[in-house]
Amino acid sequence: AQSVTQPDIHITVSEGASLELRCNYSYGATPYLFWYVQSPGQGLQLLLKYFSGDTLVQGIKGFEAEFKRSQSSFNLRKPSVHWSDAAEYFCAVATYGGSQGNLIFGKGTKLSVKP
Amino acid sequence: DAGITQSPRHKVTETGTPVTLRCHQTENHRYMYWYRQDPGHGLRLIHYSYGVKDTDKGEVSDGYSVSRSKTEDFLLTLESATSSQTSVYFCAISESLLHSSSYEQYFGPGTRLTVT
Repeated sequence: AQSVTQPDIHITVSEGASLELRCNYSYGATPYLFWYVQSPGQGLQLLLKYFSGDTLVQGIKGFEAEFKRSQSSFNLRKPSVHWSDAAEYFCAVATYGGSQGNLIFGKGTKLSVKP
Repeated sequence: DAGITQSPRHKVTETGTPVTLRCHQTENHRYMYWYRQDPGHGLRLIHYSYGVKDTDKGEVSDGYSVSRSKTEDFLLTLESATSSQTSVYFCAISESLLHSSSYEQYFGPGTRLTVT
């Protein structure tokens, strides 16, 4: 069955430090992968997506992610974290058929930023 | 931001009462989804729609029904609310592959529902 695992429930980093959030997926076909961010009390905002081509994808707010098929991973990175990056981050994989796809989400990683 | 609104944004209701949540979009997207978000569970799909009057069940559909009579509106109904349905509910939309090469979804602001 398709699944997404985010091993870290909560991560704390210092402002200005680098960040890597881990995501592992299980899906038999070519995966379409996403990272979303959710600020407190808000909806989910798409950070970036991978569906083909270059395995290093750039997103908004200075985030990037690298797709590694051999490791079934799609880790999110940012070289220098800002206090405004404190939020919850969700990795998702699309299960698809025809012209429609459903998303399966990981349980999320909450990011706290220390001043 | 995608034009998605949800109403109400907050609701408190009693066990056993019917509740309807509304999702409205201005993007003319074909697909619409209802998710619930609970601590430790991430987002789980309740129902989705692939066109007017075309709907299907998701992972956690028991106790919920949906309707879509217009492209822009997708209603989620709890026929008889229970405390286990206390949650934050999100609506999402996406285009079909005719217009997009991916399956990205855009989310509304959410409805916080408390069942007492």
